[in-house]
Amino acid sequence: KAGVTQTPRYLIKTRGQQVTLSCSPISGHRSVSWYQQTPGQGLQFLFEYFSETQRNKGNFPGRFSGRQFSNSRSEMNVSTLELGDSALYLCASSLGGQGPWETQYFGPGTRLLVL
Amino acid sequence: GIQVEQSPPDLILQEGANSTLRCNFSDSVNNLQWFHQNPWGQLINLFYIPSGTKQNGRLSATTVATERYSLLYISSSQTTDSGVYFCAVDDKDAGGTSYGKLTFGQGTILTVHP
Repeated sequence: KAGVTQTPRYLIKTRGQQVTLSCSPISGHRSVSWYQQTPGQGLQFLFEYFSETQRNKGNFPGRFSGRQFSNSRSEMNVSTLELGDSALYLCASSLGGQGPWETQYFGPGTRLLVL
Repeated sequence: GIQVEQSPPDLILQEGANSTLRCNFSDSVNNLQWFHQNPWGQLINLFYIPSGTKQNGRLSATTVATERYSLLYISSSQTTDSGVYFCAVDDKDAGGTSYGKLTFGQGTILTVHP
């Protein structure tokens, strides 16, 4: 099976712009989670989607949003970019039907640089 | 939320040495995973181990859930083992759900010299 894929892999934006990142889960996986990784804060949970519904959300401002499509692919959007949004954004997929007992598999990440 | 602490923060080894990485967590867990982050940033799954012991080649892991810690053992280390090792656990909210949310430790940076 193909692994989790993320596009684009690298992105450079300027402050005030918005950005959309995409994540395709492993075939058959219906849950997609997003994480932000920065040197200062480490890996932090953004949100999780299952069957096109957001089931869980981390402590991030409303500028961070996401959605999931019927084929389980997910996108996350960051509006009005700030310098502090520069980070590695990782998505993970899991089957989605067994709650916390499922293994999460991560994609290669999207590196976002905000200038 | 749950607290996850990893030790040591940094570890430097010569090739062939053995090492033990530790992960302490502050509450009961249903999910505990160990990851290796490669130089390109991807998190590689090592173990799903909320309790018990598992082995995969030179790597093994043990989680003692009742005492809230997990250990990752690396034997006969190789330069390719270098990178950051993360422990992550499920994090339940006030309602008891934890859909898709893993809380990560700060990681152990492992450097293996030839």
